[in-house]
Amino acid sequence: NAGVTQTPKFQVLKTGQSMTLQCAQDMNHEYMSWYRQDPGMGLRLIHYSVGAGITDQGEVPNGYNVSRSTTEDFPLRLLSAAPSQTSVYFCASSYSQGTADTQYFGPGTRLTVL
Amino acid sequence: GENVEQHPSTLSVQEGDSAVIKCTYSDSASNYFPWYKQELGKGPQLIIDIRSNVGEKKDQRIAVTLNKTAKHFSLHITETQPEDSAVYFCAASRGNNDMRFGAGTRLTVKP
Repeated sequence: NAGVTQTPKFQVLKTGQSMTLQCAQDMNHEYMSWYRQDPGMGLRLIHYSVGAGITDQGEVPNGYNVSRSTTEDFPLRLLSAAPSQTSVYFCASSYSQGTADTQYFGPGTRLTVL
Repeated sequence: GENVEQHPSTLSVQEGDSAVIKCTYSDSASNYFPWYKQELGKGPQLIIDIRSNVGEKKDQRIAVTLNKTAKHFSLHITETQPEDSAVYFCAASRGNNDMRFGAGTRLTVKP
């Protein structure tokens, strides 16, 4: 049971480039989410999904796209990277779709946009 | 929306001492209050949580207390050990999709 996995671990982009951060979980969780972590600001929710085919915006969605074609995978896309998107990104999953419950976090992707 | 404030931002204690981290929240409808531990280079991991119908919860050396009237909750770690050194985050929410995190507390336990 690998839990939540994320790739890549590190990435450097130039302004305007695009990329996809991968996230997968093998716990059959319906709820998945993406957070960004910036110094002194804790974690902020970017997008979330309550099941395959269903996604919605979180607190800071601008500049990011998501899709959920399977229960296991929840990729995060940056269409045109900006320096303000330099951050550490965490994917998380939870058994509960609505009621707040334990979230299991991946190891993170450290992204630098030059 | 919910706003969570966490104090202190850094905390240094001697091994064996107790550590207390405090959080306040603004949304009286929040009903779930988890605490996460994040070690260097890793993702946050849940260590304890409490729901609004409970005032206190304990798990070995870790305890959490909740005061709904004052809208604050605290993490207590007793008999601290060097492996407790990490960044701790509190959070408050009504559901998974509106969870708000505190800014974190860096705890250092000196041997």
